[in-house]
Amino acid sequence: EDQVTQSPEALRLQEGESSSLNCSYTVSGLRGLFWYRQDPGKGPEFLFTLYSAGEEKEKERLKATLTKKESFLHITAPKPEDSATYLCAVPSGNTPLVFGKGTRLSVIA
Amino acid sequence: NAGVMQNPRHLVRRRGQEARLRCSPMKGHSHVYWYRQLPEEGLKFMVYLQKENIIDESGMPKERFSAEFPKEGPSILRIQQVVRGDSAAYFCASSQTGWHGITEAFFGQGTRLTVV
Repeated sequence: EDQVTQSPEALRLQEGESSSLNCSYTVSGLRGLFWYRQDPGKGPEFLFTLYSAGEEKEKERLKATLTKKESFLHITAPKPEDSATYLCAVPSGNTPLVFGKGTRLSVIA
Repeated sequence: NAGVMQNPRHLVRRRGQEARLRCSPMKGHSHVYWYRQLPEEGLKFMVYLQKENIIDESGMPKERFSAEFPKEGPSILRIQQVVRGDSAAYFCASSQTGWHGITEAFFGQGTRLTVV
């Protein structure tokens, strides 16, 4: 049973073309929703943790928001260096972090 | 403050050999988590350890895999009698707080295991 679903699987944007990535979750009693960025051949890089519906966090061109069922990662005016796979994860039961399969973002100059 | 350190970065083993993967958590972190990532798949939880204790190993295969986090030294993920299906990237993460109140978890750069 999928607990974390990310969409789209892949996204191709022109430089400067803003968009959003989606992460929906089905766990009850959310103990935080985590966003990571992963570059090819590297480990996931921590971006944000969100805890409650309505919470927002920003970092450079990225803004993460949270509702009761999903989170969005908004990318404003992306640059080629924002190209990466973006992962979201939630703690579930005894598992520290259950990850979605990620969204592969490509930003074309 | 160094991040999570994993070594080796790349490891090649022949079928039937043993693989030992090491992970040194960030300074001040006593909680360690191991994940496996297969090509085109997501990160799959394997095991959660705190110093000298295995907290949760529900994601670990029952045979050939073991993990430890001794009082001194790095955490070790050991895979005995490796098979081709064990080829994957293995990532370690650490956190200051445990799973019940986890706030941040930082990952290492991974060990890429290739079984030939």
